Amino acid sequence: DSGVTQTPKHLITATGQRVTLRCSPRSGDLSVYWYQQSLDQGLQFLIQYYNGEERAKGNILERFSAQQFPDLHSELNLSSLELGDSALYFCASSVAGRSTGELFFGEGSRLTVL
Amino acid sequence: EDQVTQSPEALRLQEGESSSLNCSYTVSGLRGLFWYRQDPGKGPEFLFTLYSAGEEKEKERLKATLTKKESFLHITAPKPEDSATYLCAVPNFGNEKLTFGTGTRLTIIP
Repeated sequence: DSGVTQTPKHLITATGQRVTLRCSPRSGDLSVYWYQQSLDQGLQFLIQYYNGEERAKGNILERFSAQQFPDLHSELNLSSLELGDSALYFCASSVAGRSTGELFFGEGSRLTVL
Repeated sequence: EDQVTQSPEALRLQEGESSSLNCSYTVSGLRGLFWYRQDPGKGPEFLFTLYSAGEEKEKERLKATLTKKESFLHITAPKPEDSATYLCAVPNFGNEKLTFGTGTRLTIIP
């Protein structure tokens, strides 16, 4: 158990819809990272928050947004969903703002868009 | 842009049959190389950090090594419980994100 909690574990929805994925980092970790894992692209970095502030952005679509709340949990919002958004979405956390490489990953939220 | 390539994509070994997984990288300046293990339906689990050429790290039946262009994950006398996908990753210049390879899916047959 990494200590990172993600909900929901599974989500099935239709194209055009909007979903919210939630992540609670390990106790004491200030950074939250979101990654997308699809079969053809592997793990892709989406965005990082550190202590409530956006720190880095990767290949995150404009239809996607995230935030980190004062209690340090984070939410990833995916809107106007397309079939290609079907993937595993992982949240990871670390203590520091800059990754030492040791990230603690949750078990992921599997999104299926029909 | 940083690139990480892993080979082979998949590897099947008999229990006790040692082998190596490869991770080659192209980066503007190496700031570390990381190995993760991912079990089906789970998130990646951190294994090792390597920072400089010649460095080696060991954990049970796994040993990771690093050269200036690639890293190897050697698995000695593997057991079925070592079956997993092994991922390597490098950090970007600001160390905010990791670029992952697509992984090697390792299957150990009893």
